Amino acid sequence: SAVISQKPSRDICQRGTSLTIQCQVDSQVTMMFWYRQQPGQSLTLIATANQGSEATYESGFVIDKFPISRPNLTFSTLTVSNMSPEDSSIYLCSVGGGGTETQYFGPGTRLLVL
Amino acid sequence: GDSVTQMEGPVTLSEEAFLTINCTYTATGYPSLFWYVQYPGEGLQLLLKATKADDKGSNKGFEATYRKETTSFHLEKGSVQVSDSAVYFCALRPNAGGTSYGKLTFGQGTILTVHP
Repeated sequence: SAVISQKPSRDICQRGTSLTIQCQVDSQVTMMFWYRQQPGQSLTLIATANQGSEATYESGFVIDKFPISRPNLTFSTLTVSNMSPEDSSIYLCSVGGGGTETQYFGPGTRLLVL
Repeated sequence: GDSVTQMEGPVTLSEEAFLTINCTYTATGYPSLFWYVQYPGEGLQLLLKATKADDKGSNKGFEATYRKETTSFHLEKGSVQVSDSAVYFCALRPNAGGTSYGKLTFGQGTILTVHP
């Protein structure tokens, strides 16, 4: 299994600012994923982050709003840019998920935008 | 596209009651199916999974059977405890790999509250 940590665990931010969320995994993984869980809603995949290449974004998510870095095989960051209250969500990092493989999630970053 | 539908909640039960949370899915091919649990203030944890038809996933007294004929993966537990209070998510992922790698499709989640 993979152990995933995220920083910060929670934050309260002002609209118009940006927040960078860090995800650290205890083993090397090829692909990392970022999900969003809006209040009272289910999880939605934002993007897939591969080491050494640009992230692949799902429909409805764009790089200018959610830039992602993947500098090595154990670390990734997601930035939420120019935040608005609609960005208030839990953001989760995830690894694994090929074929029948188990997918693991980090503890999440709880973001509140005022 | 793929989709997962869970029974509407919230669900409130007394301790030792029987639990069923319904989950049905729509997908092409034969996906892997999962139940994840999210305890208050925590991230998602894998509860159980099944990767092919008629497989039964089980963990911590919870069970779910992959029913291809009814496209269902209902979660059951014979006797719930207060500590089972959490949000439960049904999810699927295509087994084909490629562009579907890591792309879980989640249901809307079911809030379970168990009273003493």
